[in-house]
Amino acid sequence: AQSVTQLDSQVPVFEEAPVELRCNYSSSVSVYLFWYVQYPNQGLQLLLKYLSGSTLVKGINGFEAEFNKSQTSFHLRKPSVHISDTAEYFCAVKENTGFQKLVFGTGTRLLVSP
Amino acid sequence: GAVVSQHPSWVICKSGTSVKIECRSLDFQATTMFWYRQFPKQSLMLMATSNEGSKATYEQGVEKDKFLINHASLTLSTLTVTSAHPEDSSFYICSAPTGSFGGELFFGEGSRLTVL
Repeated sequence: AQSVTQLDSQVPVFEEAPVELRCNYSSSVSVYLFWYVQYPNQGLQLLLKYLSGSTLVKGINGFEAEFNKSQTSFHLRKPSVHISDTAEYFCAVKENTGFQKLVFGTGTRLLVSP
Repeated sequence: GAVVSQHPSWVICKSGTSVKIECRSLDFQATTMFWYRQFPKQSLMLMATSNEGSKATYEQGVEKDKFLINHASLTLSTLTVTSAHPEDSSFYICSAPTGSFGGELFFGEGSRLTVL
């Protein structure tokens, strides 16, 4: 079974500052990793995903994440945030075989203030 | 990317009534769909896996008789909350996998259920 830990429930940051949202996972098999963003009362939008290949993954809206197998981490980063980045961010993991279920972390609320 | 649509987006019902939520894959076929439930300010918890043409697989602790799931076609799965009570009020989100690896899930917009 897989599990995901997002240690920070909330991350406050000023506009144009860099940000890192932490994600650690646990799994006995190889996995795929994802970051999703959720705006209030909306579904989830995929920011980026790691399936294989380069460990540095670039996504939409200027976000990127780095897969670190030895540290079982997949931290999300953005060099300069905007007010509009205020949202809930979920890290998720699934086995890399077939249509297995996605397991989510508890989420990190990013609060960007002017 | 692929599109998954949910309907209704919002629904308010009286306690004791049943509510049906539809999840459609608009531009791809989905033999499997997942139903998640999200409480306010919490993460998504998988309720069940919907399989086209067969019975759904429920996660531990989810009442099968309360949350009826039907996957009648390759593009439609429905979740029916039967005899709804206020504690069933929640945000319900469906998703469907696609892609050659089955790796990526596309999510519906979610359905906010409020039971009075």
